[in-house]
Amino acid sequence: DGGITQSPKYLFRKEGQNVTLSCEQNLNHDAMYWYRQDPGQGLRLIYYSQIVNDFQKGDIAEGYSVSREKKESFPLTVTSAQKNPTAFYLCASSIRTPYGYTFGSGTRLTVV
Amino acid sequence: GESVGLHLPTLSVQEGDNSIINCAYSNSASDYFIWYKQESGKGPQFIIDIRSNMDKRQGQRVTVLLNKTVKHLSLQIAATQPGDSAVYFCAEGPEKLTFGTGTRLTIIP
Repeated sequence: DGGITQSPKYLFRKEGQNVTLSCEQNLNHDAMYWYRQDPGQGLRLIYYSQIVNDFQKGDIAEGYSVSREKKESFPLTVTSAQKNPTAFYLCASSIRTPYGYTFGSGTRLTVV
Repeated sequence: GESVGLHLPTLSVQEGDNSIINCAYSNSASDYFIWYKQESGKGPQFIIDIRSNMDKRQGQRVTVLLNKTVKHLSLQIAATQPGDSAVYFCAEGPEKLTFGTGTRLTIIP
């Protein structure tokens, strides 16, 4: 079945450590996105990529980095520069922006 | 900046009744709108979308209405069921989607 897979589902890290969240899709979608969701809030865009080897900052890119070396993969690194990294992170993909986003099941990151 | 907002953060509806969830948007350039459903601890699921050249679109038990004059979007769910309990988000864009904060729909048995 085609879909978008995020791993791991839960992630715990110590403060000051970088951590990388995985996002893989087999939908042959060109565009991929990373969103952050805090409790009781909407989704805020971190980074997005419309094509391999290219990506753009979203509304809250500070403290995050991404790469898009393959069409299928769009990993997100939460760096130690991110002041409040504890959140629910959602990856999505679409044939082309902004149509028909498909979301992954999310990664809940807790920094202690 | 542009934003998408919701009139009500929570909505409680009797099982079997119809639900209406509202959304206001401010970007007059938006030409694509979409509703998502998110259950606790899960990623959002697509419900229905509509382009700006339409006023209404129907799916299975759901209808989206778009009023471009007042920049208002609504989601109607017919015969609400317990499984409809979730947070509902509207989103809009000419490009990358901008999401509202969501409305929590609770079904009363």
